Amino acid sequence: DAGVIQSPRHEVTEMGQEVTLRCKPISGHDYLFWYRQTMMRGLELLIYFNNNVPIDDSGMPEDRFSAKMPNASFSTLKIQPSEPRDSAVYFCASSYTGYDTEAFFGQGTRLTVV
Amino acid sequence: LAKTTQPISMDSYEGQEVNITCSHNNIATNDYITWYQQFPSQGPRFIIQGYKTKVTNEVASLFIPADRKSSTLSLPRVSLSDTAVYYCLVGDSYTGGFKTIFGAGTRLFVKA
Repeated sequence: DAGVIQSPRHEVTEMGQEVTLRCKPISGHDYLFWYRQTMMRGLELLIYFNNNVPIDDSGMPEDRFSAKMPNASFSTLKIQPSEPRDSAVYFCASSYTGYDTEAFFGQGTRLTVV
Repeated sequence: LAKTTQPISMDSYEGQEVNITCSHNNIATNDYITWYQQFPSQGPRFIIQGYKTKVTNEVASLFIPADRKSSTLSLPRVSLSDTAVYYCLVGDSYTGGFKTIFGAGTRLFVKA
């Protein structure tokens, strides 16, 4: 397996634009996580899915953020409208079960909102 | 939430053993302790996980005392390439799901 695949690797967009980040988890993994990393706040868990169902989205900063997982092999994180403070590295991770197994992280998407 | 506390940074020299201790006083019965490593511009990578006593793999050892309120990650004979941020995590389980929360991590700098 190629691991967790995220796209794009880098995204630069203007304030107010819609941004969509994509993630393909490792085949067979039934948990998928979205994290955001900044210098100020470190790694924050935004939302996670189990078997394509959102379980906890309490980390999503506000209504401008939404995440979907239409099937077991694809998830999106959307920001609409984007703001400069959304600039960060967004990581997707997947794991086979839950907290008692390792999570595999993608390479991340570096988002810059200007 | 099971909060973790670890040193912000540590320095070491090549060839030395490095021990990073993490405190998790409110760890729950079902929680596992997991350590991740992160290099710049990369996602975190799993190092080791344990529940109690000692766990060892090809990369590191994890020591967990009987009360499980702390854990120590031991890296034998570090090299320059071990310079990274190390995160201690405690699975935060609750009815219907769980959260894996990253703390601030420990920035390890290995010198030649």
